[in-house]
Amino acid sequence: SQTIHQWPATLVQPVGSPLSLECTVEGTSNPNLYWYRQAAGRGLQLLFYSVGIGQISSEVPQNLSASRPQDRQFILSSKKLLLSDSGFYLCAMESGNDPNTQYFGPGTRLTVL
Amino acid sequence: AQTVTQSQPEMSVQEAETVTLSCTYDTSESDYYLFWYKQPPSRQMILVIRQEAYKQQNATENRFSVNFQKAAKSFSLKISDSQLGDAAMYFCAYRTPTTGTASKLTFGTGTRLQVTL
Repeated sequence: SQTIHQWPATLVQPVGSPLSLECTVEGTSNPNLYWYRQAAGRGLQLLFYSVGIGQISSEVPQNLSASRPQDRQFILSSKKLLLSDSGFYLCAMESGNDPNTQYFGPGTRLTVL
Repeated sequence: AQTVTQSQPEMSVQEAETVTLSCTYDTSESDYYLFWYKQPPSRQMILVIRQEAYKQQNATENRFSVNFQKAAKSFSLKISDSQLGDAAMYFCAYRTPTTGTASKLTFGTGTRLQVTL
């Protein structure tokens, strides 16, 4: 079965520090991968998506970047965090088994102080 | 652009009763998918039910069913025999079919469901 892992589960970082959030998937190959952010009490905002290794599409210009170094690994990064980067970050995938449905990982709660 | 509207910010239901959450959407496409996701306090997004627009039959998953009205662009979720574990934020979402590249989900703003004893 397909599984999505996100690391870390919770993170508290000072303003101006770097960020690296990791998403890995199991049980499938060549998935489409997505990063979403959810601010407190708000809906989901699509940040980046990837259809393959090294292929990244950005939805919202901001302080963040994404990379896909391996087929089943998707990384969200920042060189210098802002207070406004606080939120809940969700990774999602869809694969050939069920190409029209996105399944979500457990998420990472990021607090920037 | 496609939009998804959930007009009920909060709903409440008694345990064992039935509740219906509303969702409307706007699109010019004829083929698309609609979803309801549940977000409990853990905040993980969990797929509840899915409906393909080309299917006239309403989707059903155990106690969860939808009323899909394509002409009216309406997609409501009915929860029967409500349980305490159903308390969560519910999001309606829309997407066009994948055509070799990624296709984006458009989410509504959510409905918070409370379940009371």
